[in-house]
Amino acid sequence: QQPVQSPQAVILREGEDAVINCSSSKALYSVHWYRQKHGEAPVFLMILLKGGEQKGHEKISASFNEKKQQSSLYLTASQLSYSGTYFCGTAKNTGTASKLTFGTGTRLQVTL
Amino acid sequence: GAGVSQSPRYKVTKRGQDVALRCDPISGHVSLYWYRQALGQGPEFLTYFNYEAQQDKSGLPNDRFSAERPEGSISTLTIQRTEQRDSAMYRCASSPRIDTYEQYFGPGTRLTVT
Repeated sequence: QQPVQSPQAVILREGEDAVINCSSSKALYSVHWYRQKHGEAPVFLMILLKGGEQKGHEKISASFNEKKQQSSLYLTASQLSYSGTYFCGTAKNTGTASKLTFGTGTRLQVTL
Repeated sequence: GAGVSQSPRYKVTKRGQDVALRCDPISGHVSLYWYRQALGQGPEFLTYFNYEAQQDKSGLPNDRFSAERPEGSISTLTIQRTEQRDSAMYRCASSPRIDTYEQYFGPGTRLTVT
């Protein structure tokens, strides 16, 4: 079953923060986050493994709560370049850890 | 270095024809994945390979779809007797190592079946 992302869409002014959530009905081994701009291929952002870790890269960070089967992506001080559709991809277990099920997507638009 | 490449980028075919979509992964990447992506939706898993071995083909919609990666590098996704419902963007991705690592996506092949 496909992970559910929320919100479906969000509009931000440059400099504002946003949180994108990804929720699964199944136990997860890892969560992957990708950003896709219109007409382009998805681009990898980060992976989180079970253990409740948090990761960050500059102004984009994420957390993974395996007990709640949820992950959140945090975008701080958003820039115009952050615009795009964000997808989480989930892997259920180590045996098929490479098989990702992508979420419903969150469309983010950053304006001036 | 060069990224994942796919060919053709666009393919228009008549219903009932066979098509072959090619994926050239990043050099040295051991894992290769095929996805199908509808407009506005996330990629939908089709199948994947570690080296030349097909690990999981549970996402292939039916037996008209097949994939191979005979030498552990280039892969071909073949759709036989195409139907209009096969129209979609087909993407491949490669990964440097087995198991859960980042996947690098190619530009995709837009398939239209008329």
